Amino acid sequence: SQQGEEDPQALSIQEGENATMNCSYKTSINNLQWYRQNSGRGLVHLILIRSNEREKHSGRLRVTLDTSKKSSSLLITASRAADTASYFCATDGSTDKLIFGTGTRLQVFP
Amino acid sequence: DVKVTQSSRYLVKRTGEKVFLECVQDMDHENMFWYRQDPGLGLRLIYFSYDVKMKEKGDIPEGYSVSREKKERFSLILESASTNQTSMYLCASSSQGGTRNEKLFFGSGTQLSVL
Repeated sequence: SQQGEEDPQALSIQEGENATMNCSYKTSINNLQWYRQNSGRGLVHLILIRSNEREKHSGRLRVTLDTSKKSSSLLITASRAADTASYFCATDGSTDKLIFGTGTRLQVFP
Repeated sequence: DVKVTQSSRYLVKRTGEKVFLECVQDMDHENMFWYRQDPGLGLRLIYFSYDVKMKEKGDIPEGYSVSREKKERFSLILESASTNQTSMYLCASSSQGGTRNEKLFFGSGTQLSVL
């Protein structure tokens, strides 16, 4: 069963704009992670936020976590064409396994 | 940088064939994972291993088996390939202990087509 669900499923923006994608999950977590996948390739880890953290930054990435709403958001500021990819959230949930959502496809037009 | 290498980017096999997908990591990671990725379904965990010769079933182990004879190598085996096993297969590894589900390093994937 899916632990994380991303929203929207697809997002198209112009270069320079900000991109925001959201992740909702069902059970309590220890941490939540975001990964990026370029077309036809493996996933790359972007950022991890722990359940006792509310916000985390890494370069142009900003992640927030609201455990009361069981949701997280990933903000990419000043998007570039190279940010075009699929973005996945992953949570550890109530099991000893990492569960991935179905992803948000981001298209950034030059 | 950690490197996770999957032996093939693309593979085409016939129904009923035995298929081996190989994965090697070079960072001495204890933990290794096999996922399959299908459109609309995201990544689903097939098998994982937290140590040599150890294996645990994931969410969708049916039709698959694994082998971990050496720490750096984790093989996924399709005993008798079927068309519904056509998918992208992703191998991943992570460091030990309490951080085993943190920061997975993925290979580039193997796109398997079963005809």
